[in-house]
Amino acid sequence: GQQVMQIPQYQHVQEGEDFTTYCNSSTTLSNIQWYKQRPGGHPVFLIQLVKSGEVKKQKRLTFQFGEAKKNSSLHITATQTTDVGTYFCAGPNAGNNRKLIWGLGTSLAVNP
Amino acid sequence: EAQVTQNPRYLITVTGKKLTVTCSQNMNHEYMSWYRQDPGLGLRQIYYSMNVEVTDKGDVPEGYKVSRKEKRNFPLILESPSPNQTSLYFCASSLSPEWGLGTQYFGPGTRLLVL
Repeated sequence: GQQVMQIPQYQHVQEGEDFTTYCNSSTTLSNIQWYKQRPGGHPVFLIQLVKSGEVKKQKRLTFQFGEAKKNSSLHITATQTTDVGTYFCAGPNAGNNRKLIWGLGTSLAVNP
Repeated sequence: EAQVTQNPRYLITVTGKKLTVTCSQNMNHEYMSWYRQDPGLGLRQIYYSMNVEVTDKGDVPEGYKVSRKEKRNFPLILESPSPNQTSLYFCASSLSPEWGLGTQYFGPGTRLLVL
């Protein structure tokens, strides 16, 4: 069945280092969403990408959607302790666009 | 303030004792959904609802029931809870445009322990 894989599963960085998480889908996605979940919190929407090759920036966060619309990435420049959490990507189910297929997330730890 | 609320936030119960977790949103969203989150398994969808009186199974519906009698409310019912339903539960809502799903707004979560 359709799968969304995220790598790495965990990442530990020193504050100030960059961080990237990758999301790869087994099928072409019409769009992709990214969420952040702080420890003990709930997922919070970050961004949605729709167009092939789209790049969007939110301050130190850069999101990309691949040309083939099967992969995406989230890059954080100069991480801060406030970036700690788990980052999830999610895309529509190919057979039912009212269901999202979620990646398992990348957990980011930042050493001060 | 736009929000999704869930109650209770924490619940300890025993096997077989029926329970209901409530979920309410104030954004007039058509789409509502329940997820469970378990370590190493990410977010798994239990049930979702496209609108009032329209519900459908997600990926892990066994042992759960839902209802959608009003647009704002989407309770999750465990008729006979079992220990394998111990989990963190999230309710979410979103607009449902023709092209799919919009931003998912999540509730704060309900941590359930079934003994």
